[in-house]
Amino acid sequence: DAGVIQSPRHEVTEMGQEVTLRCKPISGHDYLFWYRQTMMRGLELLIYFNNNVPIDDSGMPEDRFSAKMPNASFSTLKIQPSEPRDSAVYFCASSLLKGVVYEQYFGPGTRLTVT
Amino acid sequence: AQKVTQAQTEISVVEKEDVTLDCVYETRDTTYYLFWYKQPPSGELVFLIRRNSFDEQNEISGRYSWNFQKSTSSFNFTITASQVVDSAVYFCALRSPNFGNEKLTFGTGTRLTIIP
Repeated sequence: DAGVIQSPRHEVTEMGQEVTLRCKPISGHDYLFWYRQTMMRGLELLIYFNNNVPIDDSGMPEDRFSAKMPNASFSTLKIQPSEPRDSAVYFCASSLLKGVVYEQYFGPGTRLTVT
Repeated sequence: AQKVTQAQTEISVVEKEDVTLDCVYETRDTTYYLFWYKQPPSGELVFLIRRNSFDEQNEISGRYSWNFQKSTSSFNFTITASQVVDSAVYFCALRSPNFGNEKLTFGTGTRLTIIP
């Protein structure tokens, strides 16, 4: 089975440009998570969805960040406008809630560099 | 509030040595779940194990073993006869499933280097 798929794997953009990161969760999973990883702050949860509905976006840094999940097999994280401090690795993860037990499976990440 | 502490920032051992990675957690919940993830140099995060709070049995998987002790709020990870391929950053994580809360709280990670 395919794991979580993320695209692009690397993105280099200039400050002020719009960036869109994409994620395809594992088929059948009902939760989707977006994380950001930096050396300074480690792994941070930005937002998560359940059955395509955003449940908690308290980790989204500011209004420049937005995430959508139009269907069960696709999600996007958009940064507009991008800033150099947004440079990080962005991970998407998905999970299936079986009773009260689950684990999150991570995609390979998108390394974003904003110059 | 919940918190995961991995006090060891970096560890280096010579190949074939045993090594233990420490994880201490804090939570007010009586039901919770603990996880270990591996992040090799290639960057992806790989799920290793999940442990439920009501199951204190230790687990062994090949060269990997996990020691869960509720009395000390610890969930330590031991690699026996380490190999170069074990070099990675290892993260411990906690999930306290209060209603509607599916968040994982990650520790800061331990960078393990196996010296050939």
